[in-house]
Amino acid sequence: DAGITQSPRHKVTETGTPVTLRCHQTENHRYMYWYRQDPGHGLRLIHYSYGVKDTDKGEVSDGYSVSRSKTEDFLLTLESATSSQTSVYFCAISESGANTGELFFGEGSRLTVL
Amino acid sequence: AQKVTQAQTEISVVEKEDVTLDCVYETRDTTYYLFWYKQPPSGELVFLIRRNSFDEQNEISGRYSWNFQKSTSSFNFTITASQVVDSAVYFCALSENYNNNDMRFGAGTRLTVKP
Repeated sequence: DAGITQSPRHKVTETGTPVTLRCHQTENHRYMYWYRQDPGHGLRLIHYSYGVKDTDKGEVSDGYSVSRSKTEDFLLTLESATSSQTSVYFCAISESGANTGELFFGEGSRLTVL
Repeated sequence: AQKVTQAQTEISVVEKEDVTLDCVYETRDTTYYLFWYKQPPSGELVFLIRRNSFDEQNEISGRYSWNFQKSTSSFNFTITASQVVDSAVYFCALSENYNNNDMRFGAGTRLTVKP
């Protein structure tokens, strides 16, 4: 199994509070991704990183920011959580990019915004 | 932007039946990559297969087979002699060579295999 750890695995928070989700990998893969999974939408890309301090937006990036200061860690921050951000968040890693190779996914983080 | 459609939201079959999960995609790129992932009830996502747009050969892996047809923009997945352990949500996904980190997923098909 790919060494990917997401934390926290479950979080309940209130509207307007900041939230940070962490993804930690032990595979030394260059690419890291944050997806959200919602019923009827499958998985949608929020942000991704192609190296330390190199990040880019995905399909649903509004309301989210990311940071990658080390190869192994990719943080997803919701500056001011809203109920529409209630979702299951998945981190994924890839050695050579999302098209040339498979993505390895973490176990997911379930976030509920009240 | 690229798009993946999985029209079947839920499918229910009885064990040992064959079942086909449909996937239709849209892209303007001539070079692209198609994927299937499985999400069992435990929640993790598991990679099943990757295909590039230049390889239309059908693939078989045990009870699983994939039919890629560029003429109909489809990449269908068939499970032969289904088993209860095949119960899961299955996602089809597409990434384009132009923007190779933006993998787009379909909405998923929930397959239930009853004993």
